[in-house]
Amino acid sequence: KAGVTQTPRYLIKTRGQQVTLSCSPISGHRSVSWYQQTPGQGLQFLFEYFSETQRNKGNFPGRFSGRQFSNSRSEMNVSTLELGDSALYLCASSGTGELFFGEGSRLTVL
Amino acid sequence: QKEVEQNSGPLSVPEGAIASLNCTYSDRGSQSFFWYRQYSGKSPELIMSIYSNGDKEDGRFTAQLNKASQYVSLLIRDSQPSDSATYLCAVENYGQNFVFGPGTRLSVLP
Repeated sequence: KAGVTQTPRYLIKTRGQQVTLSCSPISGHRSVSWYQQTPGQGLQFLFEYFSETQRNKGNFPGRFSGRQFSNSRSEMNVSTLELGDSALYLCASSGTGELFFGEGSRLTVL
Repeated sequence: QKEVEQNSGPLSVPEGAIASLNCTYSDRGSQSFFWYRQYSGKSPELIMSIYSNGDKEDGRFTAQLNKASQYVSLLIRDSQPSDSATYLCAVENYGQNFVFGPGTRLSVLP
């Protein structure tokens, strides 16, 4: 059974640009959550989607957005990138209550 | 604000010893509790979940939950150098997002 797949794995952007990250959940999982991980703040919840609807949202500015498609794949977008957005972005899928993480997308903002 | 607290460590134990990792949480409505292991540069990996008061054993790992004290722990018996990682405690209240602790860094010394 394939795990959670995130693309791209690494990317470098400059301030002011935008970025889109993609996540394919485990087959059959309908819930997809996104987290930001930084050394100083740990794992911070961004948002969760379930059946194409945002079910929960964390305390991040509106520059951070996401969506989920009918096949449960999800994307998150960060607009007007800031240096502080440099982080590991983790996607996790859930089917029966447990979260399973992808390898993450490491974003560096210069 | 819902919080999950862990000692940041590092916690150093000799090979073969028992490592004890602790976690407290603030939300009394929390219903599900998880331990994740994260190796440096990797994504979190689910080790155990626990939902009821008491102990739950899986191989060398034992999770302990005390809802009255809002306390969760993870014991690792016969610790191995390969257990050296950061251990994240996560708490969930049904229908809401997971809240992660800052993690405890464990170092098992050969």
